[in-house]
Amino acid sequence: AQRVTQPEKLLSVFKGAPVELKCNYSYSGSPELFWYVQYSRQRLQLLLRHISRESIKGFTADLNKGETSFHLKKPFAQEEDSAMYYCALPSSGGSYIPTFGRGTSLIVHP
Amino acid sequence: DAGVIQSPRHEVTEMGQEVTLRCKPISGHDYLFWYRQTMMRGLELLIYFNNNVPIDDSGMPEDRFSAKMPNASFSTLKIQPSEPRDSAVYFCASSPQGNQPQHFGDGTRLSIL
Repeated sequence: AQRVTQPEKLLSVFKGAPVELKCNYSYSGSPELFWYVQYSRQRLQLLLRHISRESIKGFTADLNKGETSFHLKKPFAQEEDSAMYYCALPSSGGSYIPTFGRGTSLIVHP
Repeated sequence: DAGVIQSPRHEVTEMGQEVTLRCKPISGHDYLFWYRQTMMRGLELLIYFNNNVPIDDSGMPEDRFSAKMPNASFSTLKIQPSEPRDSAVYFCASSPQGNQPQHFGDGTRLSIL
């Protein structure tokens, strides 16, 4: 069965520190993976997707098929990065039932 | 495009009342998803539609919940009768295709007293 695991519910760092939010998945085939961000009491919005291989707001994520991971990284955290981050698989086999991880709350202290 | 539009933004009602949440997806998006978000359970998919047809409703918690999509620009999620444990933020999202990024609405914050 398709699964997305975000092992950390909460990640707390100081401004300027590196950040890595972990995401592991189980999926048969070539996965399409996304990271969404949700700032306090706002809508979820797409942060980045692995096929675009771009950096958004200083964040990057590399798909590692060997480790079945799609960790989100940023070298220097900013206070405005404080938010909830969700890793997601958009489809499951022949259907389009998306699978979201439980989310990781990132808190960046000044 | 104004994005996905949900109404109301906030709803407070007493248990036993009927609650109707509304969603207008982005024009041209063929897929529409309803989610429920709580601290305890995170983000849960309730139901999704493709071209106005419900495809999977296995996430709908019980018969008190129902969803419709009478046309491509409007969907409703109804709870009847409502219970305090239904209190949550309900999000609607749409996407052009099922495996493409979803665009979320601002959500409806529902409180059942």
